[in-house]
Amino acid sequence: KQEVTQIPAALSVPEGENLVLNCSFTDSAIYNLQWFRQDPGKGLTSLLLIQSSQREQTSGRLNASLDKSSGRSTLYIAASQPGDSATYLCAVQSQAGTALIFGKGTTLSVSS
Amino acid sequence: GAVVSQHPSWVICKSGTSVKIECRSLDFQATTMFWYRQFPKQSLMLMATSNEGSKATYEQGVEKDKFLINHASLTLSTLTVTSAHPEDSSFYICSASFSGHYNEQFFGPGTRLTVL
Repeated sequence: KQEVTQIPAALSVPEGENLVLNCSFTDSAIYNLQWFRQDPGKGLTSLLLIQSSQREQTSGRLNASLDKSSGRSTLYIAASQPGDSATYLCAVQSQAGTALIFGKGTTLSVSS
Repeated sequence: GAVVSQHPSWVICKSGTSVKIECRSLDFQATTMFWYRQFPKQSLMLMATSNEGSKATYEQGVEKDKFLINHASLTLSTLTVTSAHPEDSSFYICSASFSGHYNEQFFGPGTRLTVL
């Protein structure tokens, strides 16, 4: 059974720092991996989606990498801002058209 | 594009009543819709998968007679929480996908259910 783990559970950094959020999954046979942002009491905002054949995706200050063989993904946030404060969720899809399996998230707090 | 809406965004009801939550794909036809539940400080857990015109597939531990899912069209799925109790209070989020666009799932904004 696929399990997704995110480390750390919480992270506090000062504004301007570069940071890395980690995600690991137990079954390397995935279809894709997705990173989401969730603000308190709100729904999910998709940040980046990496297909199993890809190694990374970039959007603005965000860069996500995927090492399928080792079951790991990282989300790199450059020059963090207070507006980046949120919970970041990692999710994997085992096969096309199936549900996502989520990690518990990393709650990020960026202080000004 | 690829917008999913949910209605209502929040609902408060008395114990024993039933609540219906709608999930709509606004600009695409969703071959599959998923219903997730999120308890405070927890991650999203899949409740059920529904395909248009067929019965939903429920995850282990989710009571199908309590959480009724109807997927009558390619753009609408509904989740009805029957005889709701305080322990059903949670954040319910739906997602929709179609066979194109890498089968990416697009999430609704969620519905906060509070049962008194």
